[in-house]
Amino acid sequence: KAGVTQTPRYLIKTRGQQVTLSCSPISGHRSVSWYQQTPGQGLQFLFEYFSETQRNKGNFPGRFSGRQFSNSRSEMNVSTLELGDSALYLCASTPTGTNYGYTFGSGTRLTVV
Amino acid sequence: KNEVEQSPQNLTAQEGEFITINCSYSVGISALHWLQQHPGGGIVSLFMLSSGKKKHGRLIATINIQEKHSSLHITASHPRDSAVYICAVSRTGNQFYFGTGTSLTVIP
Repeated sequence: KAGVTQTPRYLIKTRGQQVTLSCSPISGHRSVSWYQQTPGQGLQFLFEYFSETQRNKGNFPGRFSGRQFSNSRSEMNVSTLELGDSALYLCASTPTGTNYGYTFGSGTRLTVV
Repeated sequence: KNEVEQSPQNLTAQEGEFITINCSYSVGISALHWLQQHPGGGIVSLFMLSSGKKKHGRLIATINIQEKHSSLHITASHPRDSAVYICAVSRTGNQFYFGTGTSLTVIP
């Protein structure tokens, strides 16, 4: 059974640009959540999607957005990139999102220069 | 104040030692998770607990809901257990709060 796939694995962008990251969950998993990990702040919850609807959102500015497609694949977008957005972005999937185990992807390492 | 506190921050052990990592939380939760992150970033979900105790191989996780405390134990530690262990709690609707992690190094 394929795991959670995140693409791309590495990305370098310039300040002010925008970026789109992709997450393909395990087949049958309908919930996809996104996290940002930085050395200073650790892991932080960005948002969670279930059946194409955002169910929860962490405390991040509106530059961070996401969506989920009918096949449960999810994308997150960061607009007007700042140096502080450099981080490892992880997604995780779970069947329904409540009290089921989570499977994480390997992450996308974004560097903003 | 962090909703999830872990201790210790760093831990060095000799191969074969019994290891305990502690996690305390201050919010109501639907579940508590123990995660393992190796260098390079990939995260593996080790346990999800809402009560009691779970065991998987040499790993044991316990939770005390009344005391809002969980422990992760590693028996007969091995160098391949070297990783960062992260405690996280999920609330209704998948709002996650993460501890800052415990960096474990097991020396042969």
